[in-house]
Amino acid sequence: GQQVMQIPQYQHVQEGEDFTTYCNSSTTLSNIQWYKQRPGGHPVFLIQLVKSGEVKKQKRLTFQFGEAKKNSSLHITATQTTDVGTYFCAAGQGFNKFYFGSGTKLNVKP
Amino acid sequence: DADVTQTPRNRITKTGKRIMLECSQTKGHDRMYWYRQDPGLGLRLIYYSFDVKDINKGEISDGYSVSRQAQAKFSLSLESAIPNQTALYFCATSGQGTYNEQFFGPGTRLTVL
Repeated sequence: GQQVMQIPQYQHVQEGEDFTTYCNSSTTLSNIQWYKQRPGGHPVFLIQLVKSGEVKKQKRLTFQFGEAKKNSSLHITATQTTDVGTYFCAAGQGFNKFYFGSGTKLNVKP
Repeated sequence: DADVTQTPRNRITKTGKRIMLECSQTKGHDRMYWYRQDPGLGLRLIYYSFDVKDINKGEISDGYSVSRQAQAKFSLSLESAIPNQTALYFCATSGQGTYNEQFFGPGTRLTVL
């Protein structure tokens, strides 16, 4: 099946610092999704990227899809305590099913 | 999302027991999925269904079976539960097409003793 590597596994930051998580695939992806899961909650969709080199922004969050469509990143500028949670990438095999990365758990110290 | 519900929310069972986890959705989506979440492993796809007559195995289908009783209902069964099936199970739905955000239910925490 699809192998999707996500790093780092954990990240501890001081409030106000930036945060980045990376997702890498050995094969070309058709698309990639990002989800956030709060502690004790369920994954919630953030965004989907489809085009090579695509960059999308949502307030302090910036999502990128690599030119080769094999990697993606999520960057949070000036983290806040509300950003705490685990961030997952989900690599699309076609548009039918997705393979999730292992997630990056973000902790933000106030 | 309240549009996707799972029952039960928590379940403790014993090795060898048969157990069914149920998922219902009111989003009108054709596509439904069952995932399993283990610490450090992310979410792994167990089964997925694109309509009532379509059932597909995912990455880790061994030891599990599913039933799509209606467009809105997708059940996951463990015929003979074993301890390494202890995990958090999520149901999800999505629409068709190239933009297919997945909507997850609240999850079922299953413990097999």
